[in-house]
Amino acid sequence: DQQVKQNSPSLSVQEGRISILNCDYTNSMFDYFLWYKKYPAEGPTFLISISSIKDKNEDGRFTVFLNKSAKHLSLHIVPSQPGDSAVYFCAASTFGAGNMLTFGGGTRLMVKP
Amino acid sequence: DSGVTQTPKHLITATGQRVTLRCSPRSGDLSVYWYQQSLDQGLQFLIQYYNGEERAKGNILERFSAQQFPDLHSELNLSSLELGDSALYFCASSQSTSGYNEQFFGPGTRLTVL
Repeated sequence: DQQVKQNSPSLSVQEGRISILNCDYTNSMFDYFLWYKKYPAEGPTFLISISSIKDKNEDGRFTVFLNKSAKHLSLHIVPSQPGDSAVYFCAASTFGAGNMLTFGGGTRLMVKP
Repeated sequence: DSGVTQTPKHLITATGQRVTLRCSPRSGDLSVYWYQQSLDQGLQFLIQYYNGEERAKGNILERFSAQQFPDLHSELNLSSLELGDSALYFCASSQSTSGYNEQFFGPGTRLTVL
């Protein structure tokens, strides 16, 4: 049973446009959500996070939106750059439950020059 | 560079063998996590240690075990290896075991079982 799902395995976007990556979760106990970026042959790199008391968090070109009623979050990258091409993982955890992360399957983003 | 180190980077071994993967957390981080990434699956949580004690277990096989030492480095031991154990194994660390704090990942160890 996948508790965190990223339904789009891949996404292709033109440089300068917006990239929107989506993530759905089923476990209502999740209250902290994170996005990681992963390049080949490297470990995941933390990008941005959001707690369930917020519905939006912004950091430079990256914004994460959380819709708790729909159990859905999204990552917006504006403007997209070729260096953003990587696999993006959505992850979730529960406060006080050891901080273990449950990951989605990942979305491969390709930003074309 | 996340500050988390893992050795070795690559490991090739045969079925039935035993291997040890090593992880050093970021300076100041007390919590260490191990994850497995197989070809057909995403990152799966295996086990977590906090300041030397086991805190949480995920989908970790009985053939696998881990420990965290007084200097906070951690080792993941995989025994009676099977072909299906071939995967990327990542270690991550964070400051504490609760609260909202992100985990920082090492570069991983690629294990190939032949």
